[in-house]
Amino acid sequence: DIVMTQTPLSLSVTPGQPASISCMSSRSLLHSDGKTYLYWYLQRPGQSPQLLIYEVSSRFSGVPDRFSGSGSGTDFTLKISRVEAEDVGVYYCMQGVHLRTFGQGTKVEIK
Amino acid sequence: QVQLQESGPGLVKPSETLSLTCSVSGGSISRYYWSWIRQPPGKGLEWIANIYYSGSTNYNPSLKSRVTISVDTSKNQFSLRLSSVTAADTAVYYCARERYDNSWYVFDYWGQGTLVTVSS
Repeated sequence: DIVMTQTPLSLSVTPGQPASISCMSSRSLLHSDGKTYLYWYLQRPGQSPQLLIYEVSSRFSGVPDRFSGSGSGTDFTLKISRVEAEDVGVYYCMQGVHLRTFGQGTKVEIK
Repeated sequence: QVQLQESGPGLVKPSETLSLTCSVSGGSISRYYWSWIRQPPGKGLEWIANIYYSGSTNYNPSLKSRVTISVDTSKNQFSLRLSSVTAADTAVYYCARERYDNSWYVFDYWGQGTLVTVSS
């Protein structure tokens, strides 16, 4: 099984400041088709999760460009360039190369 | 706009079988993968299983012995059965879609979730 490890588990950010979340996988997420199947989701309080980033760095439809994803192999990062109040919630990374496994989640709050 | 709606009993007794259905509206269930994901109260997300509209399945190894996922294309629905439940299976259960279109859009649509409590 692939284990996904996120750091930090919680983050308090001043509005307008950047934020960064790391995600590490226990083995490479590079598929034999050449793509890397790493995803990021945001679960706002009381809501279902929503897809933010697919295949490491592609923003899903409607996702603001202040969100960006990067990384390769086993190390990945989600960055928010300027945090806004609506970005509050729990962020999850997930691997899709072998079945599906989520990270523990990172709770982001506003200072 | 695709919509997913989970339905089923909100309370299940220990050792019994949890059964949920996800109804898909606003689009066809065909040519997509469909998943069940759960979230215990106050905890993180756990993928349970997925199914292609044709019927091929994948399961989380930690739950595989107790889980059955099935699809009914005529009703535009797919279902989850989890047997021998315990209090540890208490969670919000979500259904979600996976789409391939030159890229894998995993869980691009989600249901609102349904809370299932295991208690006598």
